[in-house]
Parts: sequence; structure tokens; C-alpha cells
Amino acid sequence: QVQLVESGGGVVQPGGSLRLSCAASGFTFSSYGMHWVRQAPGKGLEWVAFIRYDGSNKYYADSVKGRFTISRDNSKNTLYLQMSSLRVEDTAIYYCAKDPRPTVATITGWFDPWGQGTLVTVSS
Amino acid sequence: QSVLTQPPSASGTPGQRVPISCSGSSSNIGTYYVYWYQQLPGTAPRLLIYRNDQRPSGVPDRFSGSKSGTSASLAISGLRSEDEADYYCAAWDDSLSGVVFGGGTKLTVL
Repeated sequence: QVQLVESGGGVVQPGGSLRLSCAASGFTFSSYGMHWVRQAPGKGLEWVAFIRYDGSNKYYADSVKGRFTISRDNSKNTLYLQMSSLRVEDTAIYYCAKDPRPTVATITGWFDPWGQGTLVTVSS
Repeated sequence: QSVLTQPPSASGTPGQRVPISCSGSSSNIGTYYVYWYQQLPGTAPRLLIYRNDQRPSGVPDRFSGSKSGTSASLAISGLRSEDEADYYCAAWDDSLSGVVFGGGTKLTVL
């Protein structure tokens, strides 16, 4: 079955950097676009970024543009989120999620399934 | 403030039908599909409804979705205690060039 497992979360100081990973299994990773979605403690969901199945196009929420970079290694079935210039307001659980439509370039609000998430805490 | 507007809370007794609304605009719900997610306490969200009114396999037919104009609605019929969760709507937004979510609705089963 499809499985997404995030890792790399932790505590980091404001202005610092962190790289999250999402290991995918149970499907042909190279055929599907992937997303990062985050949830601040006690708050709602916020879409962060999307990367096309072949890595050729990337899209970001305005709140992270210029600070976060989404990437993927299709040979390792792994999705990444490189986060830099971190702010206190970036504190959240970060989920990776699969776009269920193969080889598409457009983005919808369709995420299925989601990983279990990894917690990033930005604090001094 | 979230781009999509949901009531912060909803409630019902077992067996009841409970609707949850999601209001948007022409740049999101008015043009694009709506998706609904259920988040049980302490767990990751899961897809409940896709493309306005379609249920993934494994989702009970007690859950139904609809869309009209710039608003959408999730209805839960035959309410059960295990339906107690947070529910979110989502859609693509042209003006923001990104996916937008509703603020979430916390459903309580009395």
C-alpha cells in the first residue's frame, strides 16, 4: 500500500535551516506530483509547496517563497523540503502528501494520502 | 483569516444529519473543484470527498459533498461518535496561485 514517511523535524533557532525528507513506497513515485502541507500547533492546514512528478516545475505559498525549496530524487523515491531563514511562525507539523493523478502538471486541492507528519519547532 | 470560510464548530447527536459549509469566491470554489478532509484527534488528515462530491473507496456513504456557485457543503448523516473530528475544505485559488483551505470545523457528537 502507499506509504509516506516524513523525517528531519526538530528544534532550530530563528534564522536557521532544516531539511525535511519524505520517503515514499507502494507506488511509482516518479509518476506523481507531491506536496508539502503544514499545520501550526492548534491551527488549521496550510499548503506549502508542490513539485511536478518529474521535478520540472515547483510552486510555493507566498509565505515561504524565497526561503523554502522543494525537490525530489526519483531514484531514491524521496521528497525533500529545504527550509532556510526559519521564523517562529514556521513552527508546525509538516506533512507530505501525494497528488493522486499521474503525470499531471496542474495543482488542485487533492491530497491522498498524507504522511504522519514531522514536527518543526523554531525557537530561541 | 482563511480564504475559505467554515464555521468553527458544529455538533449533533448520534443518528442526526449535520451539514458543514465552506464559502469561497469566484477565484476558488466558483471555478475549481472542492475537496474535503477529516482529521481525527492526533492524526494526519485523510481525504473524505474529492471533485466536489466523489467519495474515495473506504469512505462510508454517510459522507456526501455538494457545490453550488461559490459555496460547498459536506453532509454527515447517521452521525456516529467516531465522526468527532476536524473537517477542512480545500480548493485551488487563481488569485493566490495556490491551494487554499478553510479554517476547519470541529465536529462534536453530543
